[in-house]
Amino acid sequence: EPEVTQTPSHQVTQMGQEVILRCVPISNHLYFYWYRQILGQKVEFLVSFYNNEISEKSEIFDDQFSVERPDGSNFTLKIRSTKLEDSAMYFCASSETRGGYEQYFGPGTRLTVT
Amino acid sequence: GENVEQHPSTLSVQEGDSAVIKCTYSDSASNYFPWYKQELGKGPQLIIDIRSNVGEKKDQRIAVTLNKTAKHFSLHITETQPEDSAVYFCAASKHGGGADGLTFGKGTHLIIQP
Repeated sequence: EPEVTQTPSHQVTQMGQEVILRCVPISNHLYFYWYRQILGQKVEFLVSFYNNEISEKSEIFDDQFSVERPDGSNFTLKIRSTKLEDSAMYFCASSETRGGYEQYFGPGTRLTVT
Repeated sequence: GENVEQHPSTLSVQEGDSAVIKCTYSDSASNYFPWYKQELGKGPQLIIDIRSNVGEKKDQRIAVTLNKTAKHFSLHITETQPEDSAVYFCAASKHGGGADGLTFGKGTHLIIQP
């Protein structure tokens, strides 16, 4: 069964450093998302992406964040200058259906900022 | 914005019994309500969803009901089995116009007692 994959599974970085989290969505999906989950808290929406542009973004997704689909398979989330509060589990999701129905999530990348 | 409340935070049931998890949402324009199951170390897995034009949907031992007037929806699991033990999240979103990010509840830790 096709699935969303994410790399790395765990990333440790120092405050102020840039990180890039990578995702490979399900191959025939066209709609891509990033979410994050701070330990013990809700899963929170960050951004949605379709046709090489951002469709929607939350208040969390400020100028420190960017997304890109650099080739036909990868979807990346970049955090320019990490802060301690960026420590969280980051999930990528993808959907085949217009409008965001049936979003399938990857296993997540645990980001630890020290 | 949308706010989703989920209860209970922990639910312990005997194997074979039924489990019910309830969620309420605040935005009457929300029209899509998925449920996700998250096992330890894995990403959220979509298990069932319902759209606002339907009051109930069933898939084997799992069912979801939606009351649009009261703005609440519930997950029902019958004949619970040990493999049902996990954290379950409800979510809501309003689709159309590019608004397709999911707003999640805080999660319910379901424990199936043998």
